[in-house]
Amino acid sequence: ETGVTQSPTHLIKTRGQQVTLRCSSQSGHNTVSWYQQALGQGPQFIFQYYREEENGRGNFPPRFSGLQFPNYSSELNVNALELDDSALYLCASSFKASANEQYFGPGTRLTVT
Amino acid sequence: RKEVEQDPGPFNVPEGATVAFNCTYSNSASQSFFWYRQDCRKEPKLLMSVYSSGNEDGRFTAQLNRASQYISLLIRDSKLSDSATYLCVVTGASGGSYIPTFGRGTSLIVHP
Repeated sequence: ETGVTQSPTHLIKTRGQQVTLRCSSQSGHNTVSWYQQALGQGPQFIFQYYREEENGRGNFPPRFSGLQFPNYSSELNVNALELDDSALYLCASSFKASANEQYFGPGTRLTVT
Repeated sequence: RKEVEQDPGPFNVPEGATVAFNCTYSNSASQSFFWYRQDCRKEPKLLMSVYSSGNEDGRFTAQLNRASQYISLLIRDSKLSDSATYLCVVTGASGGSYIPTFGRGTSLIVHP
């Protein structure tokens, strides 16, 4: 076990709604990255937070936003949900900004109907 | 051309076989490289880092070829439990931060 936890494990939302996903990083890690993984694809980098600041962003629209808290836990918020947002959302923690190994949580499976 | 490319497979091999996967990347300034393993409906787990000098961990050997811009993973004496998807990750600097890019993964099926 990596010690990275995510909640909830599963979620069903309707198109247009908003969702918040949560992640607690592994003890001693100060960096959290979020990924979206569609079926049959590799994880796609959404963004990374290092010491409560966004520290890199992938090719995702502004309706994907995040936060990191002083205890290094993190939230991913997605507004105006679209059907294509249905995916497994993974967070990964690491020590320092990420040229380093990352340790993944079990993910949140989001279904948008 | 995709930034990181992998043959999705599946690679279907008998127990005891040796199997190798490659992963090519397009950004010549990429700085760090990893292999992850992902079991069905589970999260990716770090398998090993990849260094220019190559590295070995038991039955697994990873190599980096910067000139040709690819990394490889060799699995010797395959076990049934090696059946999984193997993801390569390439990390490159972008605007002061490091952006990791995953390949889509290569599926390995080891059969009795």
